[in-house]
Amino acid sequence: NAGVTQTPKFRVLKTGQSMTLLCAQDMNHEYMYWYRQDPGMGLRLIHYSVGEGTTAKGEVPDGYNVSRLKKQNFLLGLESAAPSQTSVYFCASSYRTALHTEAFFGQGTRLTVV
Amino acid sequence: SQQGEEDPQALSIQEGENATMNCSYKTSINNLQWYRQNSGRGLVHLILIRSNEREKHSGRLRVTLDTSKKSSSLLITASRAADTASYFCATDKNYGQNFVFGPGTRLSVLP
Repeated sequence: NAGVTQTPKFRVLKTGQSMTLLCAQDMNHEYMYWYRQDPGMGLRLIHYSVGEGTTAKGEVPDGYNVSRLKKQNFLLGLESAAPSQTSVYFCASSYRTALHTEAFFGQGTRLTVV
Repeated sequence: SQQGEEDPQALSIQEGENATMNCSYKTSINNLQWYRQNSGRGLVHLILIRSNEREKHSGRLRVTLDTSKKSSSLLITASRAADTASYFCATDKNYGQNFVFGPGTRLSVLP
């Protein structure tokens, strides 16, 4: 059981370059999330999705776009990377029920923008 | 702004001692969850407590919730070196649509 898988695990970008981070989950979860984690800041929600074909903005959405074309995948895009986007990115997913809303996390993508 | 705030930011104890971490939040919630993160890894869910519950246990973990004070505490009893990690509380206002995490407490358990 793979759970939540993120690719790539590490990436170095030059300022202005673009890239897409892929998150895949095999638990048939309705909800998926993208967070960034910076030292001393905890996790901040970038975008989230409550189902296939739907996305919504989180706390820090600027500079990022997302897509949820398939239920199992949630893509995070950076169109023009900036040094301020250097961070560790985590994807998570969860069920859509009142009883079971714990989130399952991927192992993270460490992104450096130079 | 952050919904949850953990306190203290860092905690260092000896193996065998108990560790207590606190979380405060600002608005009403449906449930509150605690997660652990080992260095360089993803977060792992520990325990969930609902807004109508006051205390919950899971192994060596005890969580309390005081909705009148908008606060929660996580107690780890008989700590072990393997408990060394960062601990985060996450509040959930809308049944999983939008978890909001605090900055975390870094726990160091010394052998």
